[in-house]
Amino acid sequence: KQEVTQIPAALSVPEGENLVLNCSFTDSAIYNLQWFRQDPGKGLTSLLLIQSSQREQTSGRLNASLDKSSGRSTLYIAASQPGDSATYLCAVTTSGTYKYIFGTGTRLKVLA
Amino acid sequence: DAGVIQSPRHEVTEMGQEVTLRCKPISGHDYLFWYRQTMMRGLELLIYFNNNVPIDDSGMPEDRFSAKMPNASFSTLKIQPSEPRDSAVYFCASSLRAHEQYFGPGTRLTVT
Repeated sequence: KQEVTQIPAALSVPEGENLVLNCSFTDSAIYNLQWFRQDPGKGLTSLLLIQSSQREQTSGRLNASLDKSSGRSTLYIAASQPGDSATYLCAVTTSGTYKYIFGTGTRLKVLA
Repeated sequence: DAGVIQSPRHEVTEMGQEVTLRCKPISGHDYLFWYRQTMMRGLELLIYFNNNVPIDDSGMPEDRFSAKMPNASFSTLKIQPSEPRDSAVYFCASSLRAHEQYFGPGTRLTVT
């Protein structure tokens, strides 16, 4: 059974810092991995999708990497801003199914 | 496109009442997902459809929950009878060929 873990559960950093959020999964036979952002009381916003054949994706200040063999993905945020404060979730689908299994998220606070 | 649309945004009802949540996916998307989010259990997949056909409903908690997708532009999630433990935020999401998922704003359900 696929399990997704995100560490740390919460993180506070000063504005301008580069930071890394971690996501690990137990079954390496994934179809794709997606990173989301959720603001309080809101829905999820898709940030980056990495397909199983890819190793990384970039969008603006965000870079996500995928290492299937070790069951890990990282989300790198460059030059963090207070507007980046949110909960970040990763989700994976296992090959043969389109069910997304979500991690419990990392709650990020960027201090001005 | 307006994105995934959910209604109502908030629902307060008494235990034992029937609750119907509605979702309009992004036009052209062929997958639709229903999720439930709680503090205790995080984000859980309840059921998903492909081309209006339910594919996996193993996440539906019990027979009180049912979901339908009568056409490509509309889906409902029904709870009958509702119980206080059903209180949660319910999200609908859609995707094209099971790739990047786009979430709606959610329906916050409170059962008293």
